[in-house]
Amino acid sequence: EAQVTQNPRYLITVTGKKLTVTCSQNMNHEYMSWYRQDPGLGLRQIYYSMNVEVTDKGDVPEGYKVSRKEKRNFPLILESPSPNQTSLYFCASSLFAGMNTEAFFGQGTRLTVV
Amino acid sequence: GDSVTQMEGPVTLSEEAFLTINCTYTATGYPSLFWYVQYPGEGLQLLLKATKADDKGSNKGFEATYRKETTSFHLEKGSVQVSDSAVYFCALSGVPAGGTSYGKLTFGQGTILTVHP
Repeated sequence: EAQVTQNPRYLITVTGKKLTVTCSQNMNHEYMSWYRQDPGLGLRQIYYSMNVEVTDKGDVPEGYKVSRKEKRNFPLILESPSPNQTSLYFCASSLFAGMNTEAFFGQGTRLTVV
Repeated sequence: GDSVTQMEGPVTLSEEAFLTINCTYTATGYPSLFWYVQYPGEGLQLLLKATKADDKGSNKGFEATYRKETTSFHLEKGSVQVSDSAVYFCALSGVPAGGTSYGKLTFGQGTILTVHP
């Protein structure tokens, strides 16, 4: 089954404790991205990757890191999480970075930083 | 920059009622327009899309028409069902400008729809 898989689904952590949210897709997609969803703001792009070893900042990259060592995986790293990073996070992938291409989303990771 | 504005929610309807969720956008050039739906506990999934002016996207009884003159992409359904209860997001993917991501989706704030039997 074609899908985007995120782990974990739920995470509660303390301020400053490094964490990684994993994302994997099995569709051989080139383009992957991370969004955060906050009430009243919709989804905002954090980072994106055009292909392996090609990543760039989205609209809200502060406090996050990513890597793309393999085509299928695109982990999101919070080196020193803060309470303002409490949010619902989605990983998405598309066949390529085009205006008309459909994005496929993971089920989301609800992160709480205390 | 690009932006999407959706009507204020939440929206509560009875089964078989007519649904409209308004969406307007600001973008340079000719963006592609999308409606995504998020069912409880799930990720977003594409509901429909339109890639040029006057195109009508349709799926599962939902429709939306790309209106360039009014920069709108309103979602409609003639008769909603309880199973349509979800959060609906209007989004656009625009023409790249220097330094911005190509393929990025710009989302509206989402509209919660609840349909009662």
